[in-house]
Amino acid sequence: GQNIDQPTEMTATEGAIVQINCTYQTSGFNGLFWYQQHAGEAPTFLSYNVLDGLEEKGRFSSFLSRSKGYSYLLLKELQMKDSASYLCAVNDGDYKLSFGAGTTVTVRA
Amino acid sequence: DADVTQTPRNRITKTGKRIMLECSQTKGHDRMYWYRQDPGLGLRLIYYSFDVKDINKGEISDGYSVSRQAQAKFSLSLESAIPNQTALYFCATSGLREADEQFFGPGTRLTVL
Repeated sequence: GQNIDQPTEMTATEGAIVQINCTYQTSGFNGLFWYQQHAGEAPTFLSYNVLDGLEEKGRFSSFLSRSKGYSYLLLKELQMKDSASYLCAVNDGDYKLSFGAGTTVTVRA
Repeated sequence: DADVTQTPRNRITKTGKRIMLECSQTKGHDRMYWYRQDPGLGLRLIYYSFDVKDINKGEISDGYSVSRQAQAKFSLSLESAIPNQTALYFCATSGLREADEQFFGPGTRLTVL
């Protein structure tokens, strides 16, 4: 089976940086996605990594280490609107995604 | 207009009733997926379809069935609903490449009493 772990909750202050870690053990690997999901809404795409290294996209960056089965999502200059759940998902090699349970980030003023 | 739509958005039903959730997309994608989301468990795949003639079971297909009526339409049925099927259900679509993101519909909140 697929095993994807991420912390349940994180809290940070407006303007700060938060790093959300994700570790995975899956039967196959063809890339890792990060999605953002506000309460009661649909998940929306943030990033995709398939090669080792850092991908930067504005205030958000995502890192992947395939040898360690590890990724992180870095949120910089936190804003109140960043309060949401962040979902780590692995493409298992058959065009299907296996999702972690999600990390709820609360941004405080 | 939204690219992926789901109907109904909310539904309350009773144990034993048959329920159909519908999904339509205007993105022209061949691949479509049904997920359920429960607190603390994340998104779990119920069924997926890579084209009109292709239907595959996901992680938790028991108690569910699907129909791919056209490229743009993918329906999920609960033949005899039970309370532990109370959840938030999402439909999603994607393109053909491994790197293509999935686009999610707004979700259907289903309560089975």
